[in-house]
Amino acid sequence: AAGVIQSPRHLIKEKRETATLKCYPIPRHDTVYWYQQGPGQDPQFLISFYEKMQSDKGSIPDRFSAQQFSDYHSELNMSSLELGDSALYFCASSLDTEAFFGQGTRLTVV
Amino acid sequence: AQTVTQSQPEMSVQEAETVTLSCTYDTSESDYYLFWYKQPPSRQMILVIRQEAYKQQNATENRFSVNFQKAAKSFSLKISDSQLGDAAMYFCAYKADSWGKLQFGAGTQVVVTP
Repeated sequence: AAGVIQSPRHLIKEKRETATLKCYPIPRHDTVYWYQQGPGQDPQFLISFYEKMQSDKGSIPDRFSAQQFSDYHSELNMSSLELGDSALYFCASSLDTEAFFGQGTRLTVV
Repeated sequence: AQTVTQSQPEMSVQEAETVTLSCTYDTSESDYYLFWYKQPPSRQMILVIRQEAYKQQNATENRFSVNFQKAAKSFSLKISDSQLGDAAMYFCAYKADSWGKLQFGAGTQVVVTP
C-alpha cells in the first residue's frame, strides 16, 4: 500500500539558510498536516491543508510558510534558519479520521 | 495549556507481562477521537489503536486494548503479552473532529525486559 513520502529524509543547513521540505500524501487523501518534533518532545502541530486550502494553523513561526499544490503534494519552506529549528518534521495525510505519517525529515541546523 | 496529559514518563515491563499506560485529556466537546501512537527508535509514528468518543465499547487491536472512561476523561492503553518489539515511546493523542489536528501528550517510554 502507498504511504506518505517525505523528502529529503535528512537535511543539514547552516544558520540563516533556507530549507524546503516536501511531502507526497497517500493518493486520494484530501488533508495534509505538518508537525515538528524537537528532541525528547511530542510532535507539535504546525499547519494543515484541506483540498489545497490552508485549514488550520498552529505554532508555526512567521519564517515558515507552506502550501499544497494542485497534485496535492505539500512543501514546507523554512527561512532564516535558527539552531532551534533542528527537529524531526513529519507530514501526515488523511481521508477521514485516521492520520498516516511519513517517515519524517530530520533537519539539523549548524 | 496541555490538552492531553501522560503522567508516566517511563514504564518497564517484562516480556509476556502486561503494562498499562495512562492518559487523561481535557475537552468540552462531546464527540471527539482518541488515539495511541507508537514511536520506536526509527522515529516512525505508528497508529496503535483509535477510539471514537461516541462509542461506549472499548477498542481492541490484538494485544492492545483501551479503557475509555468518558466521564473521567481517561483513556488508558493496555499492552498484553508484551514483546521486545513493543519497546517504544507511546503517545496519547486527541482530535476534536475528523479533519482536525492531533494534540499529543508528552509520551511514555515503554521498556521491555527479557
